[in-house]
Amino acid sequence: ILNVEQSPQSLHVQEGDSTNFTCSFPSSNFYALHWYRWETAKSPEALFVMTLNGDEKKKGRISATLNTKEGYSYLYIKGSQPEDSATYLCAPGSGNTGKLIFGQGTTLQVKP
Amino acid sequence: EAQVTQNPRYLITVTGKKLTVTCSQNMNHEYMSWYRQDPGLGLRQIYYSMNVEVTDKGDVPEGYKVSRKEKRNFPLILESPSPNQTSLYFCASSQDSDYGYTFGSGTRLTVV
Repeated sequence: ILNVEQSPQSLHVQEGDSTNFTCSFPSSNFYALHWYRWETAKSPEALFVMTLNGDEKKKGRISATLNTKEGYSYLYIKGSQPEDSATYLCAPGSGNTGKLIFGQGTTLQVKP
Repeated sequence: EAQVTQNPRYLITVTGKKLTVTCSQNMNHEYMSWYRQDPGLGLRQIYYSMNVEVTDKGDVPEGYKVSRKEKRNFPLILESPSPNQTSLYFCASSQDSDYGYTFGSGTRLTVV
């Protein structure tokens, strides 16, 4: 079983602050790294899927980078807004099988 | 509208009474998966499927069965539910392993 670590576990920031989270995973048998955003009382929503070392993806104020050799990914949020408040989950996939292991998530609270 | 539909949304049942949670997607996705979410444990994969008649165990398959007879449907079967299967269940589908998953709205199951 892959051991997926996300840090920090939770984060409280002020509106306008930029922030970043880390996802660490074993680099062996890596295939793809997923990031999801999960708002309270809703379902997880896909943000990014990255497969290549050095890959970088961006969606509005949110971006992510991937280092498959050392087994980590960073998620950045620039100028956090209250609507960014959610739990952010990462999930590495092993092989192109659809098997995903989710981390425990980083819960972000953005205060107005 | 592209979506993953789970039914029922809420279910209270008694120990040992067989039940099925249905999952259907209208996006012609190859990959489908079931997860359970428990406080402090995050999202854990129960079963996943890469195509019709192709399924495999996730990390917590004990006490569950699945079938994938048609591409659009992926029901989760609890033959003899027990209280430790009380949880929030999510079904999800994806075009393939390079794409993010679309999640259903969730099924909250209570076994008494």
